[in-house]
Amino acid sequence: AQKITQTQPGMFVQEKEAVTLDCTYDTSDPSYGLFWYKQPSSGEMIFLIYQGSYDQQNATEGRYSLNFQKARKSANLVISASQLGDSAMYFCAMREGGSGYSTLTFGKGTMLLVSP
Amino acid sequence: GAGVSQSPSNKVTEKGKDVELRCDPISGHTALYWYRQSLGQGLEFLIYFQGNSAPDKSGLPSDRFSAERTGGSVSTLTIQRTQQEDSAVYLCASSLAAPTGRLAGGNTRNEQFFGPGTRLTVL
Repeated sequence: AQKITQTQPGMFVQEKEAVTLDCTYDTSDPSYGLFWYKQPSSGEMIFLIYQGSYDQQNATEGRYSLNFQKARKSANLVISASQLGDSAMYFCAMREGGSGYSTLTFGKGTMLLVSP
Repeated sequence: GAGVSQSPSNKVTEKGKDVELRCDPISGHTALYWYRQSLGQGLEFLIYFQGNSAPDKSGLPSDRFSAERTGGSVSTLTIQRTQQEDSAVYLCASSLAAPTGRLAGGNTRNEQFFGPGTRLTVL
């Protein structure tokens, strides 16, 4: 089974609107971390936001927030007030604590296009 | 401060040749990771270093792939007798010392910082 599933290959949004990118995960480890990375056309992976499995509140970083629903094993990324520069690939990733080190398992990504 | 750097940025080689890809992590980062990204795909883990040791090589696709890290800093990924299916972007990342213990994953942000990647094309 896939550990990280991103069901939206592509998403379109108009500038200044909010958009939600879906991510579901599969783990039996009670200790894990969830990450979102952005990959613009330049290719570099840019860290956006982190949510730990023990965190009581949803993570927020500026215009990015994470809608963490632990029971449903989902960690959706919400981008408020989209900007043209948000057009990029977005990857959800997970680190499982029981492995003893911090390798990330990535989903296949969602391409976000922001139009004027 | 300087981020993760990788060289070369692009490499075109002929099938059967050996290639070496270099990664220079952020100063002070003891953990280093290699990933591979094929066209339109997510990232595939290859190998992880903690200091100069590689506790996990399970992602290396074949014995043609090897990696080393010296002085706890620069790492080299070597692909011998390259094949066309090796064509991909090879990404390197670094982080502070990897968290350990069963609670580590859920308690420690310790994000990985990625380099710009090396695009390898095998003709």
